[in-house]
Amino acid sequence: EAQVTQNPRYLITVTGKKLTVTCSQNMNHEYMSWYRQDPGLGLRQIYYSMNVEVTDKGDVPEGYKVSRKEKRNFPLILESPSPNQTSLYFCASSFGTSGHNEQFFGPGTRLTVL
Amino acid sequence: GQQLNQSPQSMFIQEGEDVSMNCTSSSIFNTWLWYKQDPGEGPVLLIALYKAGELTSNGRLTAQFGITRKDSFLNISASIPSDVGIYFCAGHAGGTSYGKLTFGQGTILTVHP
Repeated sequence: EAQVTQNPRYLITVTGKKLTVTCSQNMNHEYMSWYRQDPGLGLRQIYYSMNVEVTDKGDVPEGYKVSRKEKRNFPLILESPSPNQTSLYFCASSFGTSGHNEQFFGPGTRLTVL
Repeated sequence: GQQLNQSPQSMFIQEGEDVSMNCTSSSIFNTWLWYKQDPGEGPVLLIALYKAGELTSNGRLTAQFGITRKDSFLNISASIPSDVGIYFCAGHAGGTSYGKLTFGQGTILTVHP
């Protein structure tokens, strides 16, 4: 089954404790992206990747890191999480490199930083 | 970054009514996309628009790419309870923003049977 998977689905952590949210897709998509969803703000793009080893900042990259060592994986890293990073996070992928084609979204990761 | 203003923020309608929502931008987009998010899930693409003036339908849904390239509209006809969810517009500008996709704030739709 074609899908985007994220782990964990739920995470409660404390300020400053490094964490990684994994994202994997099995559709051989070039493009992958991370978003955060907050009430009243919609989805905001954190980072995106147009291909292996090619990553770039979205609109809200501060406090986040990403890597794209393999085509299928695009982990999101929070080196020192803070309470304002409490949010619902979505990973997405699409064919092509621009992101304007249909993006397939993962199920989401709900993160709480205390 | 680029800003998308989506309205209305929420709608409460009766089953069978038609629905209209829109997005406006301060800058030009080359692609407009409309997504729907069901509760507890990720967004799913409804309609993609790639050309100014384009009018595209998907069942009871119709979307248009504004002539100015700064706006887009989504209409839902004869709403049903399963239309409940959050609807997002998204724009892709291309150029130096090649990989960026900007989303609107979302329209929360509630349909009363």
